[in-house]
Amino acid sequence: GAVVSQHPSWVICKSGTSVKIECRSLDFQATTMFWYRQFPKQSLMLMATSNEGSKATYEQGVEKDKFLINHASLTLSTLTVTSAHPEDSSFYICSASRGTVGNSPLHFGNGTRLTVT
Amino acid sequence: TQLLEQSPQFLSIQEGENLTVYCNSSSVFSSLQWYRQEPGEGPVLLVTVVTGGEVKKLKRLTFQFGDARKDSSLHITAAQPGDTGLYLCAGVGDSWGKLQFGAGTQVVVTP
Repeated sequence: GAVVSQHPSWVICKSGTSVKIECRSLDFQATTMFWYRQFPKQSLMLMATSNEGSKATYEQGVEKDKFLINHASLTLSTLTVTSAHPEDSSFYICSASRGTVGNSPLHFGNGTRLTVT
Repeated sequence: TQLLEQSPQFLSIQEGENLTVYCNSSSVFSSLQWYRQEPGEGPVLLVTVVTGGEVKKLKRLTFQFGDARKDSSLHITAAQPGDTGLYLCAGVGDSWGKLQFGAGTQVVVTP
């Protein structure tokens, strides 16, 4: 069964509004979670690393004020897309690992399809 | 510029044929993973390789890790429509600490 749950699976919002996406680790504690963005038929682009109890680490080119990440507990990280615009429309996926990244599986949520109209 | 180069980008084959997907880097991987992703879902781990020269088999899938730990391949024997998906390699490199993904190979197996 799924070990990482992502919600919602899809959302449509109007330009200028904000959208929050939740990522939960279901049966393990994740001090670190990862947020990715994926365009159709393309690979995953790491946006940021979410750290429990501290600030997220953003990849180069990702606006931290636009993509707000909160990792308030060991099982929940949230990504808020603020003042969304049509170009923010994409597939957003989170992941978490039980062990060392690269040696242990990354468990992915099923993604959130965001459409900004 | 991709740290991991994956090829080909797209493969369309008939059921029963074989296929190979490649993942290369100019840097050494401390570990490398292969994932498969189906539309509308998150990727699912297929295998992790850590030792140079390592070969792992998962039913009809054979994974090889190069001796120098700079490249890997995924070979599927007698492909089936259920093998259709986006195959992603992901590695942690000695020169970069984060898990980075290749661009992916879209595989389509038609009956």
